[in-house]
Amino acid sequence: HLVLTQSPSASASLGASVTLTCTLSSEHSDYAIAWHQHQPERGPRYLMKIKGDGSHIRGDGTPDRFSGSSSGPERYLTISGLQSEDEAEYYCQTWDTGVWVFGGGTKLTVL
Amino acid sequence: QVHLVESGGGVVQPGGSLRLSCAASGFNFSNFGIHWVRQAPGKGLEWMTVISFDGNVKHYADSVKDRFTVSRDNSKNTAFLHMSGLRPEDTALYYCATDERGQLMDYWGQGTLVSVSS
Repeated sequence: HLVLTQSPSASASLGASVTLTCTLSSEHSDYAIAWHQHQPERGPRYLMKIKGDGSHIRGDGTPDRFSGSSSGPERYLTISGLQSEDEAEYYCQTWDTGVWVFGGGTKLTVL
Repeated sequence: QVHLVESGGGVVQPGGSLRLSCAASGFNFSNFGIHWVRQAPGKGLEWMTVISFDGNVKHYADSVKDRFTVSRDNSKNTAFLHMSGLRPEDTALYYCATDERGQLMDYWGQGTLVSVSS
């Protein structure tokens, strides 16, 4: 069945870049996904959609320093020029007929 | 701009019922599907249900099927989540979110807290 796998945590220094990974179940390796950012004490926020071909579409207001790509079943979110407000939980999400699925989330710490 | 406000959360005893509301503004509500997603304490996001733009199509996660019902009133720009047979494991922050194309959550609310406890 449809599953998304994320590493539980990641960290990087202020001003640096970091790449978060979301892995689709093998039989769904060509599916598109979305990335959502969830900062403490706030509602989640949609960042972008990434297709299987690696193309991505940012949501309204998503800064250019957030970019997406893909390789096989993996979907990536790269954040450049890390800022303190980027410290958050990041969730990937996908869908199939009648079902929507989230990955377990990656907690990003900005050092 | 798009604004979603959830309300109706509170403390309820196991087996009890609650109705959550999601009030929308800043966009054409009747053109968007609405999801309900929850986050239990210390856990990740969990999708629960979606209702189509016109209310004719609804889908549910297995964890809430037969206990939760989603509905909407496009004349009032509001969606609802009717929850019954509540269990302690239903304790969570409940979010509503828009969905323009039946794929992903475009915009999110701030959430309303539901606590199921005796």
